[in-house]
Amino acid sequence: ILNVEQSPQSLHVQEGDSTNFTCSFPSSNFYALHWYRWETAKSPEALFVMTLNGDEKKKGRISATLNTKEGYSYLYIKGSQPEDSATYLCAFGGSARQLTFGSGTQLTVLP
Amino acid sequence: DSGVTQTPKHLITATGQRVTLRCSPRSGDLSVYWYQQSLDQGLQFLIQYYNGEERAKGNILERFSAQQFPDLHSELNLSSLELGDSALYFCASSQSYNSPLHFGNGTRLTVT
Repeated sequence: ILNVEQSPQSLHVQEGDSTNFTCSFPSSNFYALHWYRWETAKSPEALFVMTLNGDEKKKGRISATLNTKEGYSYLYIKGSQPEDSATYLCAFGGSARQLTFGSGTQLTVLP
Repeated sequence: DSGVTQTPKHLITATGQRVTLRCSPRSGDLSVYWYQQSLDQGLQFLIQYYNGEERAKGNILERFSAQQFPDLHSELNLSSLELGDSALYFCASSQSYNSPLHFGNGTRLTVT
């Protein structure tokens, strides 16, 4: 069973704060690491797909980094806004071609 | 709109019954994934198809089966249903293994 862990489980921040979460995954047989944003009553939406060690991706105020050798990825949100409130999921893709999701980090941004 | 269509949206059935969940992938996507989200649990990978062939299998029960048809739509069949099978079932599609998944809106199954 693949172990994909996300921390923290939940997070409350004030509007304007910057924040970051961690995704830990197996450091062997790496193929890809995905990040998704999942708002309540909606479906998960893709943020990033990263495949190379050292990859950094950015979309507006959200960015992500990848370290495949040590098996972790960070997601950063700069200047959080209430509309950033959602659950952020990472998913590990290994050579078995199975995309395994973590349990997510639930972010609440307080106005 | 992700372009992925799942039907039905809701399904209520009794224990022991069999149901079929349907998924039409986004146009151009060859891969279809099925995930189960039970109460207070994350997305559990069930099975993946690529262009009609099974590519990867997760913790899918023997009572569950799936297939992808030549037109690329997929069906997930759940039989001998138990109360614990009540969950939200998501279908997602992608162009390739390195491409992002596009999720449907899910089918909420309630087994009574």
